[in-house]
Amino acid sequence: QSALTQPASVSGSPGQSITLSCTGTSSDIGGYNQVSWYQHHPGKAPKLIIYEVGNRPSGISNRFSGSKSGNTASLTISGLQTEDEADYYCGSYTSGNTLVFGGGTKLTVL
Amino acid sequence: QVQLVESGGGVVQPGRSLRLSCAASGFTLSSYGMHWVRQAPGKGLEWVSVIRYDGSKSYYADSVKGRFTISRDKAGNTLYLQMNSLRAEDTAVYYCARDMRPYGDPRDYLDHWGQGTLVTVSS
Repeated sequence: QSALTQPASVSGSPGQSITLSCTGTSSDIGGYNQVSWYQHHPGKAPKLIIYEVGNRPSGISNRFSGSKSGNTASLTISGLQTEDEADYYCGSYTSGNTLVFGGGTKLTVL
Repeated sequence: QVQLVESGGGVVQPGRSLRLSCAASGFTLSSYGMHWVRQAPGKGLEWVSVIRYDGSKSYYADSVKGRFTISRDKAGNTLYLQMNSLRAEDTAVYYCARDMRPYGDPRDYLDHWGQGTLVTVSS
């Protein structure tokens, strides 16, 4: 199972909105709604921020939103803040009965 | 407060074995599915394995199937990952993570993670 495809890096300014993409195939993202997003500050524990395409766990800011179209999932962060600077990983269930992650996107807040 | 603490990492020679542990607190391990995820140096996350809340079923990534075994201490609150026939490409930080749901399935989501333990496979 190949990793999902994410851009290596994205940058934005405080207050801006940015969208991170995650591209898979019909055997993962395109075939299932079990899509998730994780925020990871290096050296710390990763954090679940979106599950089942667009749902937020309790305590996660509504500045984070998720969507899916075809084989591509997207994470939008609105009102960008400096503490949003982190690595972001998408994940999806696959037809092989496994979980696959993307390669990660490093978000820089300028 | 949910807390997960991994241990057991270190330097090991190719072909040897290592067992990782994950101590859970703030919740009952036997009520949730549990996962192992790894991150090789400079790389993204890679899912490794998941075990059901009752230990009745487990799933593995193709890259570790037949070499790694996930298990849980039924009497206590500890998750394990037995790693055999280790290869250089198994070098990574290994995280344990709690499943959002009791079932413990690759379809699920990982709502609490530990900070990881580093495994280095090198001669």
